[in-house]
Amino acid sequence: AQTVTQSQPEMSVQEAETVTLSCTYDTSENNYYLFWYKQPPSRQMILVIRQEAYKQQNATENRFSVNFQKAAKSFSLKISDSQLGDTAMYFCAYFYNNNDMRFGAGTRLTVKP
Amino acid sequence: NAGVTQTPKFQVLKTGQSMTLQCAQDMNHNSMYWYRQDPGMGLRLIYYSASEGTTDKGEVPNGYNVSRLNKREFSLRLESAAPSQTSVYFCASNGRTNTEAFFGQGTRLTVV
Repeated sequence: AQTVTQSQPEMSVQEAETVTLSCTYDTSENNYYLFWYKQPPSRQMILVIRQEAYKQQNATENRFSVNFQKAAKSFSLKISDSQLGDTAMYFCAYFYNNNDMRFGAGTRLTVKP
Repeated sequence: NAGVTQTPKFQVLKTGQSMTLQCAQDMNHNSMYWYRQDPGMGLRLIYYSASEGTTDKGEVPNGYNVSRLNKREFSLRLESAAPSQTSVYFCASNGRTNTEAFFGQGTRLTVV
């Protein structure tokens, strides 16, 4: 079974600074998808960024970017110019073959003014 | 544009009672999922359905049953609720392998 590990239960960052959230995963597959989701206090699950494993280029979405290391099975999220609205739980997710999506335990990020 | 709709949003059950959580999506997605979210454990997959008429167990299926009634609806049933099933439950759906899953707003279930 695929497993996803987020080793940082909580992190904090000052507003306007940069923070990196870590994620590692375990799989024997070659083609799969990785996602970062954000869950604010409203409980809504919001997609932040996605990465296809067959693409070598790291995905970027505005202030959010990933460092995808396929051989190391690592998928970290970098948030630049942190904003107060970035305060949330962040979940890393692994997705294969449209049948199964597994999540990490989450990292609670607090952006301080 | 409703997306994924879960009902109810909140529920309190007594130990041993049964109930069904309802989920419907209007995006013509093939795959649907039920997760539970517990503090410090993230989202854990209970059951999923890759297509209408099929269901498969996830990580934590014990104590639950599911029904994929049609392409739109995927229900989760607790036959005899236990306090260990106190959690927030999310339904999700996905249409293609390269798109994200869309989530419902969650159901907070408390079993006393």
